[in-house]
Amino acid sequence: DTGVSQDPRHKITKRGQNVTFRCDPISEHNRLYWYRQTLGQGPEFLTYFQNEAQLEKSRLLSDRFSAERPKGSFSTLEIQRTEQGDSAMYLCASSLGGSAFREAFFGQGTRLTVV
Amino acid sequence: AQSVTQLGSHVSVSEGALVLLRCNYSSSVPPYLFWYVQYPNQGLQLLLKYTSAATLVKGINGFEAEFKKSETSFHLTKPSAHMSDAAEYFCAVSEDNNDMRFGAGTRLTVKP
Repeated sequence: DTGVSQDPRHKITKRGQNVTFRCDPISEHNRLYWYRQTLGQGPEFLTYFQNEAQLEKSRLLSDRFSAERPKGSFSTLEIQRTEQGDSAMYLCASSLGGSAFREAFFGQGTRLTVV
Repeated sequence: AQSVTQLGSHVSVSEGALVLLRCNYSSSVPPYLFWYVQYPNQGLQLLLKYTSAATLVKGINGFEAEFKKSETSFHLTKPSAHMSDAAEYFCAVSEDNNDMRFGAGTRLTVKP
């Protein structure tokens, strides 16, 4: 296991279509995070999981967005009825949770372009 | 809620010159602070982190940062810039051992 893996790396979709991204975290990491990054901006927090439980969601995560981590391993992020404003890099990260903070390791991201 | 402000969206230095990237944080509790670097078309890579141990933190690639509570700052420095340091740098804060909040980033350009 060499790191956090995201699939696909690039996705072009037409406005109104649904898209789903996958993230495979580092195997022993129980925390998994989703961020969105637009050009010239820092990553914006979307949501995070501890094991299979989704513990926090940003107000950025509208009802068109849904994330799951069904078995506490990989996660999916689905965007329904995509809009041009959804075009961004979607980053996944994972870390070990616990009393001592462990830094998050990031995947290379999925770049979404909505046309 | 925690937040960070990175002063200067672009910093340009000459090769061999001092690098100083500024970060100020806001947090209601003692924070964890991080610097990440992002090269083009790459994910974020951790440079260094502050977790309430030593206030001067040394990271990879010759970078270091100093936590100053009185100034709520966590500036990133490197004594001598190298061409390979050209990248986007992000400061991040976490105050509750949960998620991290990132600044808008500073693009570092290194001139030969």
